Amino acid sequence: AQSVAQPEDQVNVAEGNPLTVKCTYSVSGNPYLFWYVQYPNRGLQFLLKYITGDNLVKGSYGFEAEFNKSQTSFHLKKPSALVSDSALYFCAVSPPGFQKLVFGTGTRLLVSP
Amino acid sequence: EAGVTQSPTHLIKTRGQQVTLRCSPISGHTSVYWYQQALGLGLQFLLWYDEGEERNRGNFPPRFSGRQFPNYSSELNVNALELEDSALYLCASTVGTVSNQPQHFGDGTRLSIL
Repeated sequence: AQSVAQPEDQVNVAEGNPLTVKCTYSVSGNPYLFWYVQYPNRGLQFLLKYITGDNLVKGSYGFEAEFNKSQTSFHLKKPSALVSDSALYFCAVSPPGFQKLVFGTGTRLLVSP
Repeated sequence: EAGVTQSPTHLIKTRGQQVTLRCSPISGHTSVYWYQQALGLGLQFLLWYDEGEERNRGNFPPRFSGRQFPNYSSELNVNALELEDSALYLCASTVGTVSNQPQHFGDGTRLSIL
């Protein structure tokens, strides 16, 4: 069975500091990996994806993610956090051949001024 | 380009009633997905439609059903509503059926069951 784990319910970081939101996955085969962000009372916005190739993926709003096959991880990172980055972040996996997203439980990011 | 649109934004129903939620995908997108985001349960895959056919279904009872119309818009129907159906229902769309394409989400319909 496919699964995604986001071990931290909340991450707190000061504005200007680097941030990391962790994600690990369990899926057979080579997965497609995604990060989404959700602001209050809104749907999910796509940030970035890993399909194949370079392990460091760059996405929207200055976010990037590092794919590590041996650790089955896909951590989201940003060099300098903004207060406006405060939101709920979801990691998701799309197993090849399965037309659905399997989501983690989400991590709330709180960036303080 | 207009994004995925969902209607209504909010609904209040009572137990046992039936509800229909609507979704219009991004122009040119043929696949529509439905997800349930319930408090404490996270985001769960409900249904996938493509070219008018149901292609995949999540682990939900048969009282959750839907359809996709020739213009690729979609409806989600929930019969015999239960309290635990209270959730945000999200619709997403993609171009074609390749699973490495990002799904684009609407803002959802918040369903409250009294």
